[in-house]
Amino acid sequence: GAVVSQHPSWVICKSGTSVKIECRSLDFQATTMFWYRQFPKQSLMLMATSNEGSKATYEQGVEKDKFLINHASLTLSTLTVTSAHPEDSSFYICSARAISRGTYEQYFGPGTRLTVT
Amino acid sequence: DQQVKQNSPSLSVQEGRISILNCDYTNSMFDYFLWYKKYPAEGPTFLISISSIKDKNEDGRFTVFLNKSAKHLSLHIVPSQPGDSAVYFCAASGYSGGGADGLTFGKGTHLIIQP
Repeated sequence: GAVVSQHPSWVICKSGTSVKIECRSLDFQATTMFWYRQFPKQSLMLMATSNEGSKATYEQGVEKDKFLINHASLTLSTLTVTSAHPEDSSFYICSARAISRGTYEQYFGPGTRLTVT
Repeated sequence: DQQVKQNSPSLSVQEGRISILNCDYTNSMFDYFLWYKKYPAEGPTFLISISSIKDKNEDGRFTVFLNKSAKHLSLHIVPSQPGDSAVYFCAASGYSGGGADGLTFGKGTHLIIQP
């Protein structure tokens, strides 16, 4: 149980285009999903917290107009990187917290490797 | 300023022996701590967690110890197995009245189990 999927697993796009990444909780409902970013040999950095039916909360330094987050249902959150630039190339990982489990464990997706050329 | 620190970038342990991974934190508001295992180009896999009201939590070969006064926690793996070779991340969260906080991660420790 507690499986989280991400799609796509990797994407290459041209500078200036937008890319959408999907995060789904497959076997549980998640009121809250989180988006992280990991640069090579660095730690995972929290970008934003996504709550179902409300606006996302962004961490300091993360541009909300560049990284659009939508949490339309209890099993789906999307991250759209708008007007992508090479410096946005990174490994993007989502996580979800299960409603019913009553604990703070977050279950992570497999990640999406974004390369902007 | 890093709020969660894993000062050992790598650790090499012989198969069958105990692996001890350490983590220090600076934010006294953290009250829930987690350990994750991660392979390259994959998402982290949850291993074990501990809340601040406990000082020890055990799950199979994995035991996490928490020393609140020292703001220090450690993950013990015994016996260590070749499949344990991975990067281990320590993460922390603060309780916010039933809400779910994003996690603050350390930089990770690369554990290498030698046969």
